[in-house]
Amino acid sequence: DSGVTQTPKHLITATGQRVTLRCSPRSGDLSVYWYQQSLDQGLQFLIQYYNGEERAKGNILERFSAQQFPDLHSELNLSSLELGDSALYFCASSMVQGGYYGYTFGSGTRLTVV
Amino acid sequence: AQTVTQSQPEMSVQEAETVTLSCTYDTSESDYYLFWYKQPPSRQMILVIRQEAYKQQNATENRFSVNFQKAAKSFSLKISDSQLGDAAMYFCAYRSATPGNQFYFGTGTSLTVIP
Repeated sequence: DSGVTQTPKHLITATGQRVTLRCSPRSGDLSVYWYQQSLDQGLQFLIQYYNGEERAKGNILERFSAQQFPDLHSELNLSSLELGDSALYFCASSMVQGGYYGYTFGSGTRLTVV
Repeated sequence: AQTVTQSQPEMSVQEAETVTLSCTYDTSESDYYLFWYKQPPSRQMILVIRQEAYKQQNATENRFSVNFQKAAKSFSLKISDSQLGDAAMYFCAYRSATPGNQFYFGTGTSLTVIP
């Protein structure tokens, strides 16, 4: 157990639907990052939050949104889902915004859009 | 934006042998950090080793070591005495030393360990 908790582990939904992925960071970590890993691809950065504030945005679609709550857990909302949104979505957390520390990753949520 | 390139989509190694995974990156920054992550079939991303760009000495973690060539922007991972449990996807990653910056990942190298 890495200390970063992602729920659910698996999610199957239909096109056009909306889902919410949840992430609880490791205790003491203030930064949360969301990544998308499609089949045969590397990890694409979506968005970062630090202590409740959005700090960086990557290749996140307008249909996607996220937030970090006062208890530091984060949610990634995916709407108007398309088949191409099927992927593994990772949440990662770190102690500080930058620097030497690596990420601690959750085990991911496998999203399948049918 | 920074880019990370892993030119070997797949590699294989005999058990107990040594294998080197390649990684190059492109950046105009002078201060940054480099990482190797391992993703076994369980999908969990596991930090293998990290290197600070300002340190000339190559990082080592047990059977894992890196060859960091800053001028060439190269960061290869050497796995010695390969074990079956080393079979996984390996990702090279770059992180700026500027606070707030995210990681940039390569596309990964799938390592097979042959018994």
